[in-house]
Amino acid sequence: DADVTQTPRNRITKTGKRIMLECSQTKGHDRMYWYRQDPGLGLRLIYYSFDVKDINKGEISDGYSVSRQAQAKFSLSLESAIPNQTALYFCATGRGDNNEQFFGPGTRLTVL
Amino acid sequence: GQQLNQSPQSMFIQEGEDVSMNCTSSSIFNTWLWYKQDPGEGPVLLIALYKAGELTSNGRLTAQFGITRKDSFLNISASIPSDVGIYFCAGLSGGGADGLTFGKGTHLIIQP
Repeated sequence: DADVTQTPRNRITKTGKRIMLECSQTKGHDRMYWYRQDPGLGLRLIYYSFDVKDINKGEISDGYSVSRQAQAKFSLSLESAIPNQTALYFCATGRGDNNEQFFGPGTRLTVL
Repeated sequence: GQQLNQSPQSMFIQEGEDVSMNCTSSSIFNTWLWYKQDPGEGPVLLIALYKAGELTSNGRLTAQFGITRKDSFLNISASIPSDVGIYFCAGLSGGGADGLTFGKGTHLIIQP
């Protein structure tokens, strides 16, 4: 079974719609992250969380919000999707004792 | 923000050849990570580097953390078809809590 799972894997939506992407992990890690990947670019950090009560903005947080419902769950929301939010979205987890991060399989989001 | 310059952007090589790619930055990093991404999947961690000057191997892969802490390289020896993919360097400058800064990737293509 996958350690980091993301749902849905693919989503097509329309401009103005609210969208939620879910991430769950069984690795027991405290830290969780959301990244965005655009063609030809590396991954860019949207939000990250150290634990359930901690939420931090990343490099490109505008237009996004997150919720850490439990240690194992971290969701990303687009309150009103716009076409330039079309991208691959990756969730990642990390431990507090080293800097390694482990990624989920990604969600491909298309905003029409 | 911080930037990582990864080169080359793409490589066309013959099976069996050695591969070398690198990342440089104007900022100091405390950790360097190298990931591989296959189509439709999330990045998979290959090698993690924690100390300046550190040289670490993982099978046919070898990576080094530059002495200045501003660069890292990844070598792949005797390339095989399954090495095809996109390789990303990623750096961490904070205490481990922040997200990773990614290079834009090196697309490795192996010609028969």
